[in-house]
Amino acid sequence: IAGITQAPTSQILAAGRRMTLRCTQDMRHNAMYWYRQDLGLGLRLIHYSNTAGTTGKGEVPDGYSVSRANTDDFPLTLASAVPSQTSVYFCASRDTSGGSDTQYFGPGTRLTVL
Amino acid sequence: GQNIDQPTEMTATEGAIVQINCTYQTSGFNGLFWYQQHAGEAPTFLSYNVLDGLEEKGRFSSFLSRSKGYSYLLLKELQMKDSASYLCAVINSNYQLIWGAGTKLIIKP
Repeated sequence: IAGITQAPTSQILAAGRRMTLRCTQDMRHNAMYWYRQDLGLGLRLIHYSNTAGTTGKGEVPDGYSVSRANTDDFPLTLASAVPSQTSVYFCASRDTSGGSDTQYFGPGTRLTVL
Repeated sequence: GQNIDQPTEMTATEGAIVQINCTYQTSGFNGLFWYQQHAGEAPTFLSYNVLDGLEEKGRFSSFLSRSKGYSYLLLKELQMKDSASYLCAVINSNYQLIWGAGTKLIIKP
């Protein structure tokens, strides 16, 4: 693994179903983020984790939950999917070492809820 | 509220120079980023400004004026591969990253 991976790449889901989007990084970054990106709205933060064992709510957390059991993994769960959750989901990690501050993004998961 | 404003779309010619502006109003400031995002792909890091002035990196430069709440990304010697969306983002006083909606840059031959 190099960088951040996300799975699945894309998914079509029936409304009401439960779904977990997976995110794994191998860079040992403490902070990780989940965003959704919708046309014309830019990236919106769903949940974040500043370090393993802690999580926080972002701008649009309703209908989503996260966990951070270890440094590498940060799964996002939709408990009961609704059509408004159709979006592209990006996971990111943040590097603040050496005076820099950079977020690295995974390739994204394209989710369609019908 | 907090907001980041950037033009929705810009068009430029291959070989030319284009400046993409970003203005921000946030609760505090701890840095500004520019990211590039090609269609269907993830954003990739371009630049990070925390102090006023110009940061140059090859064909791309980024400028920041904290007193004006203003930044721009300058792209020189435009190439067709520069066709992409350019995202401006600001870290506020809570160290949250606030994102603009992005500027879609279209390069014409």
